[in-house]
Amino acid sequence: EVQLVESGGGLVQPGGSLRLSCAASGFTFTSYWMHWVRQVPGKGLVWVSRINSDGSSTSYADSVKGRFTASRDNTKNTLYLQMNSLRAEDTAVYYCVSRYCGGGSCYYHFDFWGQGTLVTVSS
Amino acid sequence: DFQLTQSPSTLSASVGDRVTITCRASQSISTWLAWHQQKPGKAPKLLIYDASSLASGVPSRFSGSGSGTEFTLTISSLQPEDFATYYCQQYNSFGPGTKLEIK
Repeated sequence: EVQLVESGGGLVQPGGSLRLSCAASGFTFTSYWMHWVRQVPGKGLVWVSRINSDGSSTSYADSVKGRFTASRDNTKNTLYLQMNSLRAEDTAVYYCVSRYCGGGSCYYHFDFWGQGTLVTVSS
Repeated sequence: DFQLTQSPSTLSASVGDRVTITCRASQSISTWLAWHQQKPGKAPKLLIYDASSLASGVPSRFSGSGSGTEFTLTISSLQPEDFATYYCQQYNSFGPGTKLEIK
C-alpha cells in the first residue's frame, strides 16, 4: 500500500523557519518526482515545489522562491521542505504528492497524496 | 501563462442525479488532464488521468472525456459519498475547483 506521511507542521512566528518531512512507502521512491502542494483552508490547491528523482533538480513557485528549499534522502525514502522567512500568507496545509517519472517517461498527473500537515504562521 | 478554469464553481444536486463538471485549458493539452476528488478535511485523491482513464479503485459511475482545451467529468448517478470538491490538474496547474453540494 502506497503511503505518504507528512510531519513537521505547527505554529511558527513570522520570519521563523520550519522543516517539513514526508516519509514514503509502498512504491519505488526513486522512480518518482516529488512535489509539495499547499492549500489555505477553504481555498484551492496551489503547487509549491518539485524535486526530481535523484534530487539534482528543483523548481519553485515564485511566491516561495528563495525562501523554501526542497530536498530528498533516497536512502530513507523521505522528502523534505525547508521553509525559511515564513510569512502569514504561507499559512496552509502542505501536501506531499508524487508524480511518476521513470523508465524514460514522466507522467503529467499527480498520483498519490499524503494526508497533509498544517503550517500556521502567526505571532 | 497556462490556466485551467472550471465551471460551475458550485453545483447542487441530489442522490441519483447525473452531473457534469467542465474544465477548460487556456491552450491545447491533448488528453493530458487529470481529475482529483477532495472530501472535507481529507487529502485529494486521483480519480481520472489521461482525460478518461479511471484510477485504481474508482467506481465506474465516474467518467471523463475531452481533448484539446475542453474536458468534462461526469458522475452518472450521485452517491452520498460523492459530495466533495473536484479539481482538474495538468502538470503544476490546478483548476479552482467545483464544490458538489447536496440539494
